[in-house]
Amino acid sequence: KAGVTQTPRYLIKTRGQQVTLSCSPISGHRSVSWYQQTPGQGLQFLFEYFSETQRNKGNFPGRFSGRQFSNSRSEMNVSTLELGDSALYLCASSLGVAGVETQYFGPGTRLLVL
Amino acid sequence: TQLLEQSPQFLSIQEGENLTVYCNSSSVFSSLQWYRQEPGEGPVLLVTVVTGGEVKKLKRLTFQFGDARKDSSLHITAAQPGDTGLYLCAGLFYNQGGKLIFGQGTELSVKP
Repeated sequence: KAGVTQTPRYLIKTRGQQVTLSCSPISGHRSVSWYQQTPGQGLQFLFEYFSETQRNKGNFPGRFSGRQFSNSRSEMNVSTLELGDSALYLCASSLGVAGVETQYFGPGTRLLVL
Repeated sequence: TQLLEQSPQFLSIQEGENLTVYCNSSSVFSSLQWYRQEPGEGPVLLVTVVTGGEVKKLKRLTFQFGDARKDSSLHITAAQPGDTGLYLCAGLFYNQGGKLIFGQGTELSVKP
């Protein structure tokens, strides 16, 4: 069974631009969660989608948004990029409830904002 | 506000030594997970603990959940260079709406 895939793996953007990251969960998994990982703040929860609905949301500004498609694939979008958005963005999928069931993480997308 | 405190942040030891990583909170966890992350990869789940006082073993790794379910520890016996990586604890809290809260992580380096 293929693991969680994330594209692109690396991305360089400039301040003010917007970016879209993609995540394909493990086949059969309906929950997709997104996290931001930085050296200073560690791993922080962005949001979770289940069956195309946002089920949980972290404490991030409205510039961070996401969506999930009917095939469970998910995208997250960051608009008006800031230098502080430079981070590793991780996606994780699980069968049902994240935290109760095992989450499987993708390798992440490393975003650098210049 | 960081709900989960993990310590130490960095640990550099020699092969064969033992070590313990701690994860503490002032709030009660409904469950707690330990992950290991290697460079260029996402975290991989090692264990989930749910019951207060629970002890789980995974080869040379021993995981303990505090009786009050506010703390947990990871003990590695006879560390090996292959244990090198970032160890993360993540808690599911009753009052956080099902969101996993991660600790800052412990960067472990085991030198041969």
